[in-house]
Amino acid sequence: ELKVEQNPLFLSMQEGKNYTIYCNYSTTSDRLYWYRQDPGKSLESLFVLLSNGAVKQEGRLMASLDTKARLSTLHITAAVHDLSATYFCAVALETSYDKVIFGPGTSLSVIP
Amino acid sequence: SAVISQKPSRDICQRGTSLTIQCQVDSQVTMMFWYRQQPGQSLTLIATANQGSEATYESGFVIDKFPISRPNLTFSTLTVSNLSPEDSSIYLCSVEWRMGYEQYFGPGTRLTVT
Repeated sequence: ELKVEQNPLFLSMQEGKNYTIYCNYSTTSDRLYWYRQDPGKSLESLFVLLSNGAVKQEGRLMASLDTKARLSTLHITAAVHDLSATYFCAVALETSYDKVIFGPGTSLSVIP
Repeated sequence: SAVISQKPSRDICQRGTSLTIQCQVDSQVTMMFWYRQQPGQSLTLIATANQGSEATYESGFVIDKFPISRPNLTFSTLTVSNLSPEDSSIYLCSVEWRMGYEQYFGPGTRLTVT
């Protein structure tokens, strides 16, 4: 059974600082998603990582995937208040690409 | 990308009744998914809906409680039956896009059961 873990679950960081959110998963997969969710809103797709070593960047966010370690990271550079949200990683089962399992989410709060 | 709409956006229902949620996509898609997000929690997959076949339910979800229809490639419904307060959640539909390389979510339906 595929399990997806994230840490930390809660993160409070100051504006201007850097930090990394980690996503670990328990079985092989080569497709991983990062989503953002604002309170009361649906999910916004941030990144899709499709192969080992994949790195994608958008603004202050950069995501990477290491399929051998079963680990993805979401790195935040010089955080700003607008990044405050909950971030989810989600992993597609290699044997069933139509099934995507979500991690518990990381609630990020960026404070001035 | 796909544009997904859901109806209703929110509802308050009494215990023992049912609610049917509609999901409409602006393009034809093969796979549609229904998720539940309980308050303060992550997303849990309820079922996968393929057009022309029975939905595939995840462990802990049964057809009698969560019947799903998928009459065509742009539409699906999820019914939550015999409502109890524990069913109070956000229900989201999503679609697979570009052969599964992306997955997009609808705006969600917030259900409150009193």
